[in-house]
Amino acid sequence: QITLKESGPTLVKPTQTLTLTCTFSGFSLNTAGLGVGWIRQPPGKALEWLALIYWDDDKRYSPSLKSRLSITKDTSKNQVVLTMTNVDPVDTGTYFCVHSTVTGTLSFDYWGQGSLVTVSS
Amino acid sequence: QSALTQPASVSGSPGQSITISCTGTSSDVGFYNLVSWYQQYPGEAPKLIIYEVNKRPSGVSDRFSGSKSGNTASLTISGLQAEDEADYYCCSHAGDTTFFWVFGGGTKLTVL
Repeated sequence: QITLKESGPTLVKPTQTLTLTCTFSGFSLNTAGLGVGWIRQPPGKALEWLALIYWDDDKRYSPSLKSRLSITKDTSKNQVVLTMTNVDPVDTGTYFCVHSTVTGTLSFDYWGQGSLVTVSS
Repeated sequence: QSALTQPASVSGSPGQSITISCTGTSSDVGFYNLVSWYQQYPGEAPKLIIYEVNKRPSGVSDRFSGSKSGNTASLTISGLQAEDEADYYCCSHAGDTTFFWVFGGGTKLTVL
């Protein structure tokens, strides 16, 4: 059974760096073809894809946010960490961790429950 | 990158069929057969209901179907039920050498 859970601060001040951790179970990021990513959703608004890291450490970023994002993995801990620098109130939203495969659905087939982050002074 | 274009809302009566469109460009929807659709209830995480344009994950009702023509993908829900009332998002692979994903703006489905 695949599960993912997001953790991190609920409140961040503008210009600070946001660090979110996704802890997952039911699979290993050492397995060829697997990936873990991040998708966010501002309150009442649409989903926005942010970043994804694959088993081979290949990393993909949203072109519009690439300069502010960093995604890393710790396979020994079954964790993926997303870092976003210089946050702004527009970065407020629910951040979802997702599972993806290049050998399966080529989409986001498992989702975490989401972590609400508010950016405010 | 620009978000894919979806109608803000659609509605239908129980038993009817509805279609939600998702319009992109020749760099995303038109180029890749990697369009997926997600269903989201208020306060919940999205759920994958269609992948690779027209494939259904195990457990998803066959009332949900997907298709694509040119730069536009579509999600059709047949035999509309009250439980189908939710937000629906399309998503597509995009880019060339540096691929990424792009979502649509979402469509609110109301079952009358």
